[in-house]
Amino acid sequence: QKEVEQDPGPLSVPEGAIVSLNCTYSNSAFQYFMWYRQYSRKGPELLMYTYSSGNKEDGRFTAQVDKSSKYISLFIRDSQPSDSATYLCAMSATTNFGNEKLTFGTGTRLTIIP
Amino acid sequence: GAGVSQTPSNKVTEKGKYVELRCDPISGHTALYWYRQSLGQGPEFLIYFQGTGAADDSGLPNDRFFAVRPEGSVSTLKIQRTERGDSAVYLCASSSGLAGISTDTQYFGPGTRLTVL
Repeated sequence: QKEVEQDPGPLSVPEGAIVSLNCTYSNSAFQYFMWYRQYSRKGPELLMYTYSSGNKEDGRFTAQVDKSSKYISLFIRDSQPSDSATYLCAMSATTNFGNEKLTFGTGTRLTIIP
Repeated sequence: GAGVSQTPSNKVTEKGKYVELRCDPISGHTALYWYRQSLGQGPEFLIYFQGTGAADDSGLPNDRFFAVRPEGSVSTLKIQRTERGDSAVYLCASSSGLAGISTDTQYFGPGTRLTVL
């Protein structure tokens, strides 16, 4: 069993819809939780990070962590065609995730239909 | 430079050959990472450098894989006796590496797409 599970999709939604992306994990040592966005033939870029249970909002994006259930989510409001990409969840078992390997999910391929 | 750069962008080689992949991190970043991303998968950790030394090489799959960072900036990932299963995108990332900075971000390069025929 992988430490991080993520539905690979693909997921297609109409423009303007709310998108929900999710990951589950099994390693209780994970403390930092990140969402990366990866466009085709590009490297991943960090969207958001959080380290506590609860919600964190940044513009149209909301990251949610439930440590008791080992479940994290990313919500995208008012989705745009430019949001079409692969979304990767990533986790780190340290309080200093710039100095620690990241464990990624498989990635969910998202398409926003105009 | 402005971001992490990797060369070559694409590499096609034959089974059994030796390849070198290069990573130029963001200037001043002391931490450097190599990940491998197979088709339809997320990146998998290979090795992490802090300065010139490998702080964690637990992700290297076998002794055909080796990485160096002799001057603490540019890094080279070396693969000997390549196999078809080595085909993947090899990603490099760097971060400032400052201890105690809990929000230090890993910035990724565009990757090198390796194809072993």
